[in-house]
Amino acid sequence: AQSVTQLGSHVSVSEGALVLLRCNYSSSVPPYLFWYVQYPNQGLQLLLKYTTGATLVKGINGFEAEFKKSETSFHLTKPSAHMSDAAEYFCAVIPGGYQKVTFGTGTKLQVIP
Amino acid sequence: DAGITQSPRYKITETGRQVTLMCHQTWSHSYMFWYRQDLGHGLRLIYYSAAADITDKGEVPDGYVVSRSKTENFPLTLESATRSQTSVYFCATNGGTDTQYFGPGTRLTVL
Repeated sequence: AQSVTQLGSHVSVSEGALVLLRCNYSSSVPPYLFWYVQYPNQGLQLLLKYTTGATLVKGINGFEAEFKKSETSFHLTKPSAHMSDAAEYFCAVIPGGYQKVTFGTGTKLQVIP
Repeated sequence: DAGITQSPRYKITETGRQVTLMCHQTWSHSYMFWYRQDLGHGLRLIYYSAAADITDKGEVPDGYVVSRSKTENFPLTLESATRSQTSVYFCATNGGTDTQYFGPGTRLTVL
């Protein structure tokens, strides 16, 4: 069975500061990894994903994440936070080839002016 | 292009009543999913469907019923609502790739 752990249910950063949201996973097979973002009163939308190939993946709005197999991690980063980045972020995993997704419990990002 | 819609967006009901949440997609995606979102739990899969007339249980199926007679619709029914089913419900689709597309959600309150 696969699982996802997001460290920190709430993260606060100053506008312009580095954003780092942590995600660790467990999977018995090579995983597909995702970050989704949820803005208030909306559904989730895909931010970026790793399936195969390059381990550093770039997503929308300047976010990127690096798949580190040795650390079973897929942390999300952005060099400079913007007020519009305030949202809840979910890490997710699919054991490669299956359709059922396991989501983490989410990290709410607050950006302080 | 409407994509995926859910109705109603907000619903208040009483314990013991039957409630049906609707999900409609315009893409003809094969897979459809129902999740509930609760503080501290993230999203948990209730039921999913691989195609019309094919459904399967997810992580938290108790108290819920689904059907899928048409590819585009995937209603979720709470046969006898309980307070523990107060939650935000999301429908999602997957068109054969690994990415899920989410509806806007239904906020359900059971009094």
